[in-house]
Amino acid sequence: EAQVTQNPRYLITVTGKKLTVTCSQNMNHEYMSWYRQDPGLGLRQIYYSMNVEVTDKGDVPEGYKVSRKEKRNFPLILESPSPNQTSLYFCASRFGQGSEKLFFGSGTQLSVL
Amino acid sequence: SQQGEEDPQALSIQEGENATMNCSYKTSINNLQWYRQNSGRGLVHLILIRSNEREKHSGRLRVTLDTSKKSSSLLITASRAADTASYFCATERMDSSYKLIFGSGTRLLVRP
Repeated sequence: EAQVTQNPRYLITVTGKKLTVTCSQNMNHEYMSWYRQDPGLGLRQIYYSMNVEVTDKGDVPEGYKVSRKEKRNFPLILESPSPNQTSLYFCASRFGQGSEKLFFGSGTQLSVL
Repeated sequence: SQQGEEDPQALSIQEGENATMNCSYKTSINNLQWYRQNSGRGLVHLILIRSNEREKHSGRLRVTLDTSKKSSSLLITASRAADTASYFCATERMDSSYKLIFGSGTRLLVRP
């Protein structure tokens, strides 16, 4: 089954404790992206990747890191999480560079205390 | 930066009625897409309309695009309780980034 898999689904952590949210897709998509969703603000892009070893900042990259060492994986790293990073996070992927639909993961609800 | 803005923010209708949601955007686009999100879950793609298209249909969905007014509408006909969800428009910028920018969504409640 074609899918984007995110883990974990829920995560509660404390300020400053490094964490990684994993994302994997099995559709051989070139493009992958991370979004955060906050009430009233819609989805805002954090980072995206056009292909292996090619990543770029989105609209809200501060406090986040990503890597794209393999085509299928695109982990999101929070080196020192802060309470303002409490949010619902989504990974998404699509075939090609543009004009294609995005496939979303099920989301990761992160709470930073 | 937000590009697509949906209107209304929330909509409550009776099962069987039609639901219309609107989306306005600011800059030139390659295409406009509509997505659906069930509470707290991942978004699911509904339909994509390209900048040179004016109308598109998919089952009970009808999407229109007016590039001169920079607006789009999503019509769901004969709504069902299962259509209850949030609906987002997303616009793909007309530049090399192919960036997809999401609006803040319309929450649709279909009452049985």
